[in-house]
Amino acid sequence: EVQLLESGGGLVQRGGSLRLSCAASGFTFNSYGMNWVRQAPGKGLEWVSRMSGRGDRTDYADSLKGRLTVSRDTSKNTLYLQMSSLRAEDTAVYYCAKEGEDGYFDYWGQGTLVTVSS
Amino acid sequence: QLVLTQSPSASASLGTSVKLTCTLSSGHSNYAIAWHQQQPEKGPRYLMKLTSDGTHSKGDGIPDRFSGSSSGAERYLTISSLQSEDEADYYCQTWGTGTRVFGGGTKLTVL
Repeated sequence: EVQLLESGGGLVQRGGSLRLSCAASGFTFNSYGMNWVRQAPGKGLEWVSRMSGRGDRTDYADSLKGRLTVSRDTSKNTLYLQMSSLRAEDTAVYYCAKEGEDGYFDYWGQGTLVTVSS
Repeated sequence: QLVLTQSPSASASLGTSVKLTCTLSSGHSNYAIAWHQQQPEKGPRYLMKLTSDGTHSKGDGIPDRFSGSSSGAERYLTISSLQSEDEADYYCQTWGTGTRVFGGGTKLTVL
């Protein structure tokens, strides 16, 4: 059974940093792309970042480039998202999502809430 | 630019059917998409992948009441025999080189 468990969310001050984690199980972690998606309160889903299955490519939403770094530890089957220079508009639930054979998301985590205080 | 467009809201009565639409931007009419459901206060759930020829492959445990179809740049999600638990937000999602894209979502109300 595929499971994705996010952690690391919390309350952070504007301008601060935070690292989110997504612990994956139930599939071969380095065979599938992994993504971060966020949802601001009352808003829709917004794609944030991804790492390829091989780990040789990372992609970021244009609006967020420069403030994010996605990485992984294959020994722990864990995906990370390092966020810096956080702003109030970064307040959201952050989900991790596994890709299927191509770019669609076939499994989602339960999300972790990040709140940026001003 | 790869963009997905969805109507913000839809409604249908209990036990009837509803068809939700997701439209791909110009030049991208051959793209596959995925449909995701988000029930209130829950995380998203993958429903199905849908190709340009209407072939769809559903996620684990998705009932037969959910089906997909395609016509040109439009991708559809049909939910038949509507139940109260189908009241949710529905998002379409697609992908390109270096990017993943969501539609704005359709809020479905079951009357």
